Amino acid sequence: GDSVTQMEGPVTLSEEAFLTINCTYTATGYPSLFWYVQYPGEGLQLLLKATKADDKGSNKGFEATYRKETTSFHLEKGSVQVSDSAVYFCALPPRTGFQKLVFGTGTRLLVSP
Amino acid sequence: DVKVTQSSRYLVKRTGEKVFLECVQDMDHENMFWYRQDPGLGLRLIYFSYDVKMKEKGDIPEGYSVSREKKERFSLILESASTNQTSMYLCASSWASGVSRELFFGEGSRLTVL
Repeated sequence: GDSVTQMEGPVTLSEEAFLTINCTYTATGYPSLFWYVQYPGEGLQLLLKATKADDKGSNKGFEATYRKETTSFHLEKGSVQVSDSAVYFCALPPRTGFQKLVFGTGTRLLVSP
Repeated sequence: DVKVTQSSRYLVKRTGEKVFLECVQDMDHENMFWYRQDPGLGLRLIYFSYDVKMKEKGDIPEGYSVSREKKERFSLILESASTNQTSMYLCASSWASGVSRELFFGEGSRLTVL
């Protein structure tokens, strides 16, 4: 079945460091791909998405490129801030049927001043 | 803005008690979902509903039931709470179709069962 694999955390960085959180997926065809973010004490919210191969999603300085050759959707940010400290989830929606998203296990990011 | 509201942010219950977690969305979404979130396990789907009075089991339905009497409201019920149901519970909703298939989440209900 469809699955998503994320790098384990926590990822600990200093402010202004470069961030990469790896995400790879297994699925039939070319699904859409999402990154969700969960700030402390809150629910999840959509950070960015890509709906087809080679698309680049971007938001709040974060970017992720849908690469079908490597079945990857890695999240990057050039210069992280303390306020980016959160848990990040890669997610894969099914191409058909009900909307049962498949989530990765989440990667906690801790940014220190 | 889409709003998904969960009735309680924090609950403390005793083993064997019946627990109701309620979720209301204001965007006329067809689909609604209940997840639980545990450290190291990510999000696991408990139940979802694609229409009023319709429900489908997710990946971990044991020990839970749901009710959807109105389109905007989806309730999660723990008939007899147990300590292993201590967790963060997240409700979400979405439209039934569309390319993005984005889920909108509530802020979560943290349940502690003593």
